[in-house]
Amino acid sequence: KQEVTQIPAALSVPEGENLVLNCSFTDSAIYNLQWFRQDPGKGLTSLLLIQSSQREQTSGRLNASLDKSSGRSTLYIAASQPGDSATYLCAVRVPFQGGSEKLVFGKGMKLTVNP
Amino acid sequence: DAGVIQSPRHEVTEMGQEVTLRCKPISGHDYLFWYRQTMMRGLELLIYFNNNVPIDDSGMPEDRFSAKMPNASFSTLKIQPSEPRDSAVYFCASTSFRDNYEQYFGPGTRLTVT
Repeated sequence: KQEVTQIPAALSVPEGENLVLNCSFTDSAIYNLQWFRQDPGKGLTSLLLIQSSQREQTSGRLNASLDKSSGRSTLYIAASQPGDSATYLCAVRVPFQGGSEKLVFGKGMKLTVNP
Repeated sequence: DAGVIQSPRHEVTEMGQEVTLRCKPISGHDYLFWYRQTMMRGLELLIYFNNNVPIDDSGMPEDRFSAKMPNASFSTLKIQPSEPRDSAVYFCASTSFRDNYEQYFGPGTRLTVT
């Protein structure tokens, strides 16, 4: 059974720091990995998607890497800003029973960037 | 496109009442997912559809929950009868091959059952 873990559950940092958010998964048989951002009381916004054949993806100040063999992904946030404060979730798309598939989510990491 | 649309955004109901949540996926997306989010369990997949057909409903907690997708632009999740432990945020998401199966989420429906 695929399990996705994000440690720590919460992080508080001063503005301007470069951050690394970690995500680990137990089964390397994944189709892709997706990082999301969730603001309080809001839905999920997709940040980056990395296909299983890729090593990394970049969007602005965000860079996500994937090491499928070791079951790890990191989300790097450069020069953090108070507006980056949110909960960040990672999810892996995996094969499921009967030929179906599903996204398995981590519990998320709540980030607070202090001005 | 307006993105995934969900209604209502908030629902407060009494135990035993029927609750119907609605979702309109992004036009052209052929996959639709229903999730439930709670503090204790995080995000859980309840059911998903492909081309309006339910593919996997193994996450539906019990027979009180049912979901339908009568056409490509509309889906419902119904709880009957509702119970306090059903209180959660329910999300709908959609995707397609053309988007590399990147899932786009709606804003969610916050359900409170008293």
